[in-house]
Amino acid sequence: QQPVQSPQAVILREGEDAVINCSSSKALYSVHWYRQKHGEAPVFLMILLKGGEQKGHEKISASFNEKKQQSSLYLTASQLSYSGTYFCGGGGSNYKLTFGKGTLLTVNP
Amino acid sequence: ETGVTQTPRHLVMGMTNKKSLKCEQHLGHNAMYWYKQSAKKPLELMFVYNFKEQTENNSVPSRFSPECPNSSHLFLHLHTLQPEDSALYLCASSLELRSPSGANVLTFGAGSRLTVL
Repeated sequence: QQPVQSPQAVILREGEDAVINCSSSKALYSVHWYRQKHGEAPVFLMILLKGGEQKGHEKISASFNEKKQQSSLYLTASQLSYSGTYFCGGGGSNYKLTFGKGTLLTVNP
Repeated sequence: ETGVTQTPRHLVMGMTNKKSLKCEQHLGHNAMYWYKQSAKKPLELMFVYNFKEQTENNSVPSRFSPECPNSSHLFLHLHTLQPEDSALYLCASSLELRSPSGANVLTFGAGSRLTVL
């Protein structure tokens, strides 16, 4: 069962904030976030390994609520370069990552 | 450029053709993966190799045949494919396989866009 991401798509103006959510019905040992621009490889953003852990990457940060099996990706003061599809990957009890369907983020000038 | 190179980037083939996709990494990684990316579907794990040994075949039809001659190269051999196999095939690598899935940070290639006519 893959993680469920919401929203499926979001459109922002440059400078606005966004939150992308990822929830799982299975126990998660880790959450990974990747971004894929059109025609390019998915690129690793960050990994969260512990419940309650928060990590930041420039103006992009994330949290992981292990009890709720949920993670959220926060994009603040969005830039045009943030446009792309964001994927969360849930890590279970083995080495496999199960990915959500992705959230398409479009940042307009 | 991520360090994982996939060729060809685009491939069109008939249902009776035989072709191969190639993936190469010189990141010093020991685990390599094939994923299938279809529109509006999650990334689907197909195969995993760890130190050249196959550790995962995620119920993939036999018309897809992987090969990993060394830790730097991964191939996906294709034969008698179906139109529904048309998709973006992504190769990825990670330093190693860890369980539970903690630090298997994946480095992806840009993918091979396959169209089956």
